[in-house]
Amino acid sequence: DVKVTQSSRYLVKRTGEKVFLECVQDMDHENMFWYRQDPGLGLRLIYFSYDVKMKEKGDIPEGYSVSREKKERFSLILESASTNQTSMYLCASSKQGVGEKLFFGSGTQLSVL
Amino acid sequence: QKEVEQNSGPLSVPEGAIASLNCTYSDRGSQSFFWYRQYSGKSPELIMFIYSNGDKEDGRFTAQLNKASQYVSLLIRDSQPSDSATYLCAVRASGTYKYIFGTGTRLKVLA
Repeated sequence: DVKVTQSSRYLVKRTGEKVFLECVQDMDHENMFWYRQDPGLGLRLIYFSYDVKMKEKGDIPEGYSVSREKKERFSLILESASTNQTSMYLCASSKQGVGEKLFFGSGTQLSVL
Repeated sequence: QKEVEQNSGPLSVPEGAIASLNCTYSDRGSQSFFWYRQYSGKSPELIMFIYSNGDKEDGRFTAQLNKASQYVSLLIRDSQPSDSATYLCAVRASGTYKYIFGTGTRLKVLA
């Protein structure tokens, strides 16, 4: 079974802190994604990566950056956390074929106070 | 902007009935279509995927794809209270590795 592991289930941070969300997958997937999910807004793509050190902006990249130094690990960084970044963050991975499925981690509920 | 549209619901059906969930998409070049189930507080779980026009059945679930009309649907037969969840439609956008999600339809199966 594909396993996508997010380092924290719940996080509470203060406004202005630098926040790191870590994600690791164990199935040698080329693609990795970071989404945030908010009530009524659905899943919105923040960033994705299709190879080591490669990244592309999603629909809402402002206030976020990412790092992919190894194939299995994709990190989301909130440079200076703000209250409007309180959300559920979901990491996902997939292979690159046309019909390949997207697999999700269990999510990190981040609260910024 | 490539979009995926779903009725937010809630869709309420009695136990044992067929639940029908619908999704439309704007990117005519899309080739892969997915249905995810998400329970409250949990992450999305893949339940069906379909690539070709027509129907695909897996147990109580049937996915239907009509590329000419740009819609994909999910039928759940013999609905159970445990099927109560939000169902997300996702489309793999053409020319990119992105997956575009609808906002989901909340299904309530009444015992």
